[in-house]
Amino acid sequence: GAVVSQHPSWVICKSGTSVKIECRSLDFQATTMFWYRQFPKQSLMLMATSNEGSKATYEQGVEKDKFLINHASLTLSTLTVTSAHPEDSSFYICSARDPTGDNEKLFFGSGTQLSVL
Amino acid sequence: SQQGEEDPQALSIQEGENATMNCSYKTSINNLQWYRQNSGRGLVHLILIRSNEREKHSGRLRVTLDTSKKSSSLLITASRAADTASYFCATAGTGANNLFFGTGTRLTVIP
Repeated sequence: GAVVSQHPSWVICKSGTSVKIECRSLDFQATTMFWYRQFPKQSLMLMATSNEGSKATYEQGVEKDKFLINHASLTLSTLTVTSAHPEDSSFYICSARDPTGDNEKLFFGSGTQLSVL
Repeated sequence: SQQGEEDPQALSIQEGENATMNCSYKTSINNLQWYRQNSGRGLVHLILIRSNEREKHSGRLRVTLDTSKKSSSLLITASRAADTASYFCATAGTGANNLFFGTGTRLTVIP
């Protein structure tokens, strides 16, 4: 099946710094990628839909200036958590659909555990 | 919110037993999917059932869908310790591009 690679797997940063998370589709082109956030023992909450070559679509309540999304190519989307604070500590997961295969299921990256000190 | 709800929140069974998880959702759907998540990892797609289907099988998995009750169930037969994970249902609305995930069931299979 399609593979989505996400890096880094975990990151620890100081409060006030910015962190970039990369999401790559390795064997397919993804015009759309999805970014989720997950707190411990909770469900995935969709943060934004990343669209190649255009602006991301953010879900209600998600600050677009706080969580910058760039989808500059058909295989790479990045999420930058700007001026991170402890409350931003969470598990961030990206996903994408493979348009050449079953276009209804999502392929997920392995996630990024962000800890802000 | 379009998020679904699952029950039970947690389930602990002995290896070899069957595990049943339920999912309820709120809006009309195009399909419903089940995903598995190992601790600290991404999700893996298990099975998809369309709105016009009532039951689907895949290996040890059996999924049912009742659109009149807006509910679905996932049955894992002859469970194994390796089945220990969190299981999420996810719904795709008509015309929607993304998926909305349920609250998840944490399954523990005791060897």
